[in-house]
Amino acid sequence: AQRVTQPEKLLSVFKGAPVELKCNYSYSGSPELFWYVQYSRQRLQLLLRHISRESIKGFTADLNKGETSFHLKKPFAQEEDSAMYYCALRADFNKFYFGSGTKLNVKP
Amino acid sequence: NAGVTQTPKFQVLKTGQSMTLQCAQDMNHEYMSWYRQDPGMGLRLIHYSVGAGITDQGEVPNGYNVSRSTTEDFPLRLLSAAPSQTSVYFCASSSTKGGNSPLHFGNGTRLTVT
Repeated sequence: AQRVTQPEKLLSVFKGAPVELKCNYSYSGSPELFWYVQYSRQRLQLLLRHISRESIKGFTADLNKGETSFHLKKPFAQEEDSAMYYCALRADFNKFYFGSGTKLNVKP
Repeated sequence: NAGVTQTPKFQVLKTGQSMTLQCAQDMNHEYMSWYRQDPGMGLRLIHYSVGAGITDQGEVPNGYNVSRSTTEDFPLRLLSAAPSQTSVYFCASSSTKGGNSPLHFGNGTRLTVT
């Protein structure tokens, strides 16, 4: 069965500190992975997709098939990064499975 | 380009009432879906559709109905509201053409059932 696990419900860091939000997945096929961000009371927005290998707002994420992980990283956190972050897996012809989310709190 | 539009933004219902949450997209996406978002549980898929006339159940379909008569619209019906359906509901769509197409979300509907 497909599953996405985000082990941390809350992650608090100080401004300027590095951030890593963990995501592990379980899927027998070839995974398509995404990170979504939700700022306070707003819609979910796409942050990153693994196939693009891009850096958005300083965030990067690398797919590690051996460890079945897609951790989200940023070297220097900013206060405006405070938000809810969801890892998502696309499987079974376009069904998306989401993790339970990690709330990132960046303190001044 | 409006993207995914949900109405209403807020709704309060009494137990047993019925209502329809509206969702429309103008991106000609084949795939549309409904999620509910609850604290500590992330987003759970309620129903989804891969095209007009085709719908299927997600993880938590009980108490909800959907239909897809057009490509643009995907309404979610609560047949007899229960307090357990108090949640934030998100509609999302994506293209099924090409690889790695992301989901595009609406702004959400915050529903309270008393």
